[in-house]
Amino acid sequence: DTAVSQTPKYLVTQMGNDKSIKCEQNLGHDTMYWYKQDSKKFLKIMFSYNNKELIINETVPNRFSPKSPDKAHLNLHINSLELGDSAVYFCASSLATGDLRNEQFFGPGTRLTVL
Amino acid sequence: GENVGLHLPTLSVQEGDNSIINCAYSNSASDYFIWYKQESGKGPQFIIDIRSNMDKRQGQRVTVLLNKTVKHLSLQIAATQPGDSAVYFCAESPQGGKLIFGQGTELSVKP
Repeated sequence: DTAVSQTPKYLVTQMGNDKSIKCEQNLGHDTMYWYKQDSKKFLKIMFSYNNKELIINETVPNRFSPKSPDKAHLNLHINSLELGDSAVYFCASSLATGDLRNEQFFGPGTRLTVL
Repeated sequence: GENVGLHLPTLSVQEGDNSIINCAYSNSASDYFIWYKQESGKGPQFIIDIRSNMDKRQGQRVTVLLNKTVKHLSLQIAATQPGDSAVYFCAESPQGGKLIFGQGTELSVKP
């Protein structure tokens, strides 16, 4: 019954490592997103994909590379992790970009801690 | 620039009272607004939305008011319950698909 799922839920790693976070949605949505939530709970969009094509890229360092093998999956790969990357990362999906009703469904989040 | 903010970072209410959470937005081009609720350790959950051609929308125990003149959005929760304790975010959409979130207000309900 899980609509938007993310793995892992927690990720603790050393600075300089490369890590990936996976996201899957079973809602049949066309658009998927990655958000970063900082320690003050501020949520900011990072990327958006529509049918496997990148449509939003919000001045995110190129160490972050999203990959969408199909429209149900949007993975986030992070190279050379830095302390400032520590945050909670949320995946979300919605029916379609440009749809007037643009409710986004969020996953449970992945808490990334860089030591 | 992007500036969807909340007037109060924290709000404490007594169980059974009504809660009002306020939000200011800056982009006049925004035509869609959403309120999300985020419980501890979980992802944001949709509560209610409103389009710019409306000024009020009601759901179950929640009402969203939109004042485009002063670019203000509010969420009213009737008969607040302990289960309503969470962080509430408003978000605006100046273009289809991109949501700009406000800072969040933490609602605490006292029994």
